[in-house]
Amino acid sequence: DILLTQSPAILSVSPGERVSFSCRASQSIGTSIHWYQQRTNGSPRLLIKYASESISGIPSRFSGSGSGTDFTLSINSVESEDIADYYCQQSNSWPTFTFGSGTKLEIK
Amino acid sequence: EVQLVESGGGLVQPGGSLKLSCAASGFTFSSYGMSWVRQTPDKRLELVATINSNGGSTYYPDSVKGRFTISRDNAKNTLYLQMSSLKSEDTAMYYCARMIGAFDYWGQGTTLTVSS
Repeated sequence: DILLTQSPAILSVSPGERVSFSCRASQSIGTSIHWYQQRTNGSPRLLIKYASESISGIPSRFSGSGSGTDFTLSINSVESEDIADYYCQQSNSWPTFTFGSGTKLEIK
Repeated sequence: EVQLVESGGGLVQPGGSLKLSCAASGFTFSSYGMSWVRQTPDKRLELVATINSNGGSTYYPDSVKGRFTISRDNAKNTLYLQMSSLKSEDTAMYYCARMIGAFDYWGQGTTLTVSS
């Protein structure tokens, strides 16, 4: 199975700052990476698909980049409502999709 | 509006069985692959079953293969997960999700606790 490594485990930023989340795949997966936000007591919500494709209804401050093995989710100007866990997921090796272990975003 | 509503979770003894359901609405259910994804108490997400749009193809990881069975009734717009020989490590929140490569819609989840 393809292993996804997310780092760091916790990110702490001030409101208005830009923040980036890292997801590294154990082998090249093209752009078959997707990003999710999960707020406390909520279900995962798709933020970005296929590395950089935007999702309807998701604020434009969320963006994604990367290809191959290294991927980044960025939030431009963090807001308090962005407090959540963020997960990456790969769909390159159908049907053995896997998820990263997540990064927790804290607001200072 | 796409909605996925899971039901059927509960407390089960080790070795027991349970069947989860997921009622879908707001989209053409029969056109999409569907999956069950669980989130363990340590917040790890794991795909536990996938089924294609007509039910003819299924997938399970080794952790549940032979114990879990995913199925669907396209006439009733409902997805199922039959779980047997349950273990403590199956304790988790179980979500159904619509699959497009990514999982673009998720239900609210239903909780399974396996404990004596």
